[in-house]
Amino acid sequence: ILNVEQSPQSLHVQEGDSTNFTCSFPSSNFYALHWYRWETAKSPEALFVMTLNGDEKKKGRISATLNTKEGYSYLYIKGSQPEDSATYLCGSNFGNEKLTFGTGTRLTIIP
Amino acid sequence: GAVVSQHPSRVICKSGTSVKIECRSLDFQATTMFWYRQFPKQSLMLMATSNEGSKATYEQGVEKDKFLINHASLTLSTLTVTSAHPEDSSFYICSASQLGGPVGNQPQHFGDGTRLSIL
Repeated sequence: ILNVEQSPQSLHVQEGDSTNFTCSFPSSNFYALHWYRWETAKSPEALFVMTLNGDEKKKGRISATLNTKEGYSYLYIKGSQPEDSATYLCGSNFGNEKLTFGTGTRLTIIP
Repeated sequence: GAVVSQHPSRVICKSGTSVKIECRSLDFQATTMFWYRQFPKQSLMLMATSNEGSKATYEQGVEKDKFLINHASLTLSTLTVTSAHPEDSSFYICSASQLGGPVGNQPQHFGDGTRLSIL
């Protein structure tokens, strides 16, 4: 069984503060790491797909890093805003097209 | 771009009813679609991989006769929960990859999901 773990499960952050959370995955047979933002009553939205060790991607105030050798990825949000409130899902492929997802980190931004 | 439409969004029906859920890619062609199921406080669990024009590949423990998948065109996949029972109540969501390139490193485009409640 291939486990993708996310921590913390939930997080409350004051508006304006920066935050980060973790996705860990087995490093063997790693192929790609996906991050999605899932707002309530909407569909998950792709943020990043990362494949290379040391990769860093950025989209506005959100960025992600990848360490395939130790099996983790961090997602960072700078200057949190209320619209950042969502569940952030990571998923990983292991040598095939199927994604194994973590349970998500539920982020709530406090105005 | 890359919009996936899934409907219905919510179904409440009696035990024994069969329920069909549709997943359409509106502005792109999808050779591969995925069907997931999510129980409360758990992760999205892949049920099956649906390939246009061929039989779906089911994950271990997923009954193919219970969860019928049809992917008749490059823009439509359907999941039919046959003779649904209360234990089939769950959240079902589909995703699709755009045509071309390795599927594994392409972002998935998700539908909004279907909340199925069997009484």
